[in-house]
Amino acid sequence: EDKVVQSPLSLVVHEGDTVTLNCSYEVTNFRSLLWYKQEKKAPTFLFMLTSSGIEKKSGRLSSILDKKELFSILNITATQTGDSAIYLCAAVNPHALNFGKGTSLLVTP
Amino acid sequence: KAGVTQTPRYLIKTRGQQVTLSCSPISGHRSVSWYQQTPGQGLQFLFEYFSETQRNKGNFPGRFSGRQFSNSRSEMNVSTLELGDSALYLCASSPQTGELSPLHFGNGTRLTVT
Repeated sequence: EDKVVQSPLSLVVHEGDTVTLNCSYEVTNFRSLLWYKQEKKAPTFLFMLTSSGIEKKSGRLSSILDKKELFSILNITATQTGDSAIYLCAAVNPHALNFGKGTSLLVTP
Repeated sequence: KAGVTQTPRYLIKTRGQQVTLSCSPISGHRSVSWYQQTPGQGLQFLFEYFSETQRNKGNFPGRFSGRQFSNSRSEMNVSTLELGDSALYLCASSPQTGELSPLHFGNGTRLTVT
C-alpha cells in the first residue's frame, strides 16, 4: 500500500527560527514529490521535486529530494508568523497524488 | 486568470440524502481531481477526470461518483450520505493529466452531515 508519512505532526517555533519538515514515502512507480502550504482553505503549490539532490528554493523556503532514501525535506529559514500553516507533501505516481497528513506549523511572535 | 472555483462553499445535509458539488477548473486546464480532507485522514484522493473520462479512482465506495463536462467543469455526487462523509471536499485542476503537472486547488466545499 502506498504510504506518505510527514513529521513532525505539529511544531511551534518563535519568529526567526529555522524549521525542517520531513516527508518520507513508499509509493509504487514514484514520479515526483510535491509540497503545498495550506492556510485556511486551498492548498497552494510550493515545490515540485523530480530529481534527487537538486535543491529548489523560493525566498526563505527550500526543498530537496532523496530518491534513494525515499524522503524529502522542506526548510524554512527566518520564520515569520505568516508561515503558520499546514504543510502537505504528496508523492505522485501515475494513479494519484498520495498525500501525507501534514505538519501543522505555528510561528509565534 | 481566475482560479479553481468550487460551489457551494458550505453545505449541511442529513443522513441518507444525496449531494452534488461543483468545480470549475482554471481556464485551459483539462484535468480535474477531487479530494476529501478530514482531520484524521488528511487529504485522500477520490478520482480524476480528463477529457470527460475518469482516469483514476481512489478507494472510496460507489456512493461517491463524479463526471466531467466538455467544458472541463466537473461535478461530484455523494449518495446516501453518512455522518463520516462530513469533510472538506477539494477540487484541483491541472493543464494535463499525469504525474508531472502540479495541481491548483479550489477553496473547497465544507460538507456537514447531521
